[in-house]
Amino acid sequence: AQSVTQPDIHITVSEGASLELRCNYSYGATPYLFWYVQSPGQGLQLLLKYFSGDTLVQGIKGFEAEFKRSQSSFNLRKPSVHWSDAAEYFCAVGGVWGTASKLTFGTGTRLQVTL
Amino acid sequence: DTGVSQDPRHKITKRGQNVTFRCDPISEHNRLYWYRQTLGQGPEFLTYFQNEAQLEKSRLLSDRFSAERPKGSFSTLEIQRTEQGDSAMYLCASSSPLVRMAEQFFGPGTRLTVL
Repeated sequence: AQSVTQPDIHITVSEGASLELRCNYSYGATPYLFWYVQSPGQGLQLLLKYFSGDTLVQGIKGFEAEFKRSQSSFNLRKPSVHWSDAAEYFCAVGGVWGTASKLTFGTGTRLQVTL
Repeated sequence: DTGVSQDPRHKITKRGQNVTFRCDPISEHNRLYWYRQTLGQGPEFLTYFQNEAQLEKSRLLSDRFSAERPKGSFSTLEIQRTEQGDSAMYLCASSSPLVRMAEQFFGPGTRLTVL
C-alpha cells in the first residue's frame, strides 16, 4: 500500500530564512508526487507536482522540490520564506488503483514564520 | 469564480441525525473525489466518481455513508445516524479527464461537528 511520512509536525523559521520540509513515500511503482498547502479556512492548493523527468521541479510561490528515488524522498524547499508562507503543508502520493487516481496524504507539517 | 464549491461550509448536528453535503466541481471536470480530514491529519480518500459512476470506495466509507453523482455534475455525500467520530472536514476535489494523473482541485470543505 502507498504511504507518505512527513516526520516534522511543526517547524518554525524566521522570515527570510531558507526552508526545507521533508517527505518520504512508499509506493510500489513510479510515484506521482505532490505538495499541497492549506491555509486556515482555505482549500488545499497545489504547489507543485512530479510525474517523471527532471527530478528538480519548480512550483508556485517560489517553492521547489527534489525527487530522490534512492531515498524515497520528495522534500520541499524555499530559499527565503515570507510571513505569508505560514500554513500547513501536505505531501501526497498518487497512483492508479484500478480506475481511480486517489491521493494518499501525509499528516502534514505546520509552518510558523517569525518576524 | 469557477473553482470547486461546497455547501454548507459548516454543519453542526446532534448524534443520530442525518446530514447531506453538496459538492459542485469545476464544470469541465468529469472526475470527482471525496476526502475526509480530521484534526491533525492529512485528508483521507473516501470515494471517487468518473462521470456518474462511483468507481471506488474506501473502507472508511461505512454503510452509514453514501455518495451520489446522479447526472455526472454535482455530487452529494450523506451520512446517516451521525456519530461523534464523524466530526471532521469533508473535502471535495475534481480533476480533468484530459490530463494524465491530473491535478485535483479542492473545494473549501464542509466542517461537520457532531454533538
